[in-house]
Parts: sequence; structure tokens; C-alpha cells
Amino acid sequence: GAGVSQSPSNKVTEKGKDVELRCDPISGHTALYWYRQSLGQGLEFLIYFQGNSAPDKSGLPSDRFSAERTGGSVSTLTIQRTQQEDSAVYLCASSKGPNYEQYFGPGTRLTVT
Amino acid sequence: SQQGEEDPQALSIQEGENATMNCSYKTSINNLQWYRQNSGRGLVHLILIRSNEREKHSGRLRVTLDTSKKSSSLLITASRAADTASYFCATVKNTDKLIFGTGTRLQVFP
Repeated sequence: GAGVSQSPSNKVTEKGKDVELRCDPISGHTALYWYRQSLGQGLEFLIYFQGNSAPDKSGLPSDRFSAERTGGSVSTLTIQRTQQEDSAVYLCASSKGPNYEQYFGPGTRLTVT
Repeated sequence: SQQGEEDPQALSIQEGENATMNCSYKTSINNLQWYRQNSGRGLVHLILIRSNEREKHSGRLRVTLDTSKKSSSLLITASRAADTASYFCATVKNTDKLIFGTGTRLQVFP
């Protein structure tokens, strides 16, 4: 595709349920990032994948959060046992690599009730 | 966590005027990037300036970087109503992750 795509665009879930958010990066981009944006915390880095290197997980807020990137392309962010404070817009981005601009997807708005 | 502060938090101007937004950050960087966000969703990359550069232009955008003061500014000249958005600076240090500032909400009135 022409840009980064994310699905679903909106997700409402009950507290305690698990959710999976998907990101399709731009074809050929080796780097993939997850961020989240919430009213209280602004835009926060979560996790970064670069090629076959071990991901940088330093931004994940708790062990309930995990992410995978299969085949160097599609990525899934999983949140287990969701809490109300997980409500946010989750943004995915990809780039050609270090020190290149990042291209963002439209985001997934997660609401935990 | 956010590294940077942006100032002002909100800015309202008339079409045709120039808009200046400032960004300050805390640590050394490899590069600094500016992004625009409409309606609280997708971010659009505007411009990237590397730590060894002092000024860059792209169309109506002008970005400056002062690494000694750990600050950057974004100037939008001859603003248009379509420039209404939130603008974020983001820094890149050793790894490639973006550390965002707090953002400036720009309103351009026709």
C-alpha cells in the first residue's frame, strides 16, 4: 500500500480483556515503531523494531504489553488484561531506517470500559 | 516520557500572518523532527534537521536548530486556514525512537 495502515481504527473493550492491534508498514521499510497518545501522557514511545535486531522495548509501560513483528513486516501490539488507563490512540510508524523520517498510520483508538 | 517542551501551547493568528513555534529539549540529539497532527489522529512528517545543521527550509516552512541552547523553532510563513493543526517537535538521540514535545495547537482564522 501507499502508506502505513492500522486496524482496527476503533476498539472498545471491557476491562480485563486482551486486545490485539495490527500495523502494516510501508513496503521495504526496515524500521517499525509503536507509540501511544493519551490526554495525560501526550505522545509516548512504546517499542521499536529494526530489521532482525532485538526490539527496543524500553517504552512498554508494563508486562501486560507485548509486540511482535513477523517476517520483518506486519506487527501486532498485544495488551493483556486491559485497564482503563490503557485507553489511548495507538500509533504505528515505519521508516527506511535510523535517522530517516517516520511515516505514521492513522492510529487505533482504544477505549477500555 | 516527553523530552521537550513547546511554546506556546496554543497560537491563534489570521491567514497571511507568520506563525512561530519553539521547542526546547533536554539531552544531546542526532536529529530533530517536526510533525503536524490534524484531528488527533495521524501524524504527518514536515521536516528533519540533523544536529550538524542550523537551518532548513521546505516550502513555507523554516526550521532552525541551536544545539548550544537545545532549542529549535518552526516558522510557517503566509499561513493558511489549512495550516490549523497541532505541531510537535520530536528528538532522536542514540536509538531511533522519537521523543515528542508537548505540542503547539495552531489556529489560523480565515
